[in-house]
Amino acid sequence: QSALTQPASVSGSPGQSITISCTGTSSDVGAYNYVSWYQQDPGKAPKLMIYEVSNRPSGVSNRFSGSKSGNTASLTISGLQAEDEADYYCNSYTNTSTLVFGTGTKVTVL
Amino acid sequence: EVQLVQSAAEVKKPGESLKISCKGSGYRFTSYWIGWVRQMPGKGLEWMGIIYPGDSDTRYSPSFQGQVTISADKSMSTAYLQWSSLKASDTALYYCAGLFRGLFGGFDSWGQGTLVTVSS
Repeated sequence: QSALTQPASVSGSPGQSITISCTGTSSDVGAYNYVSWYQQDPGKAPKLMIYEVSNRPSGVSNRFSGSKSGNTASLTISGLQAEDEADYYCNSYTNTSTLVFGTGTKVTVL
Repeated sequence: EVQLVQSAAEVKKPGESLKISCKGSGYRFTSYWIGWVRQMPGKGLEWMGIIYPGDSDTRYSPSFQGQVTISADKSMSTAYLQWSSLKASDTALYYCAGLFRGLFGGFDSWGQGTLVTVSS
């Protein structure tokens, strides 16, 4: 069970949109619509931003959106703000009834 | 209010055993999965395993199977993560987290983390 693959870093200017990819296999991301995304600020516990590919928990800004195509899920942050600078992780259910995280992406707001 | 409160930081020597805890409150403890996540210093999140306290159904990541034991005490509303013989490479921050939308719905609520340091 290998970690899902994410880009190490993504950057953008305030107001821009950025997209973080999360690539798995037909045994995890491609098999189920059970991808979630987490935001982690330095020294803090992760926070759930998206669940079941594209659903936002209450309280999460609608600037965050999720999608999936084949074995790749994506998190898009629109109208990028300084407060969005953080580490982001995807997570997927797998065909062995377990879960797996992505490698993580550091988002920098220029 | 849903809360997951973890035990305090630990400093241990290689070869020692350890059990850290995660106490749930504000919800029916037996009805929701609780998972454990490792974060080594400066590294990413790693999913270790989950337990359903209602029936003790437990699942492990292949990377952690046989290395740790996850358990739960319904009467104490507490989940546990334990090691029988710690290694220096077990030094990390360990989070517990609850799956309140079911197994597929993401970890909604997180504990504050327990820092485990293993050093001779």
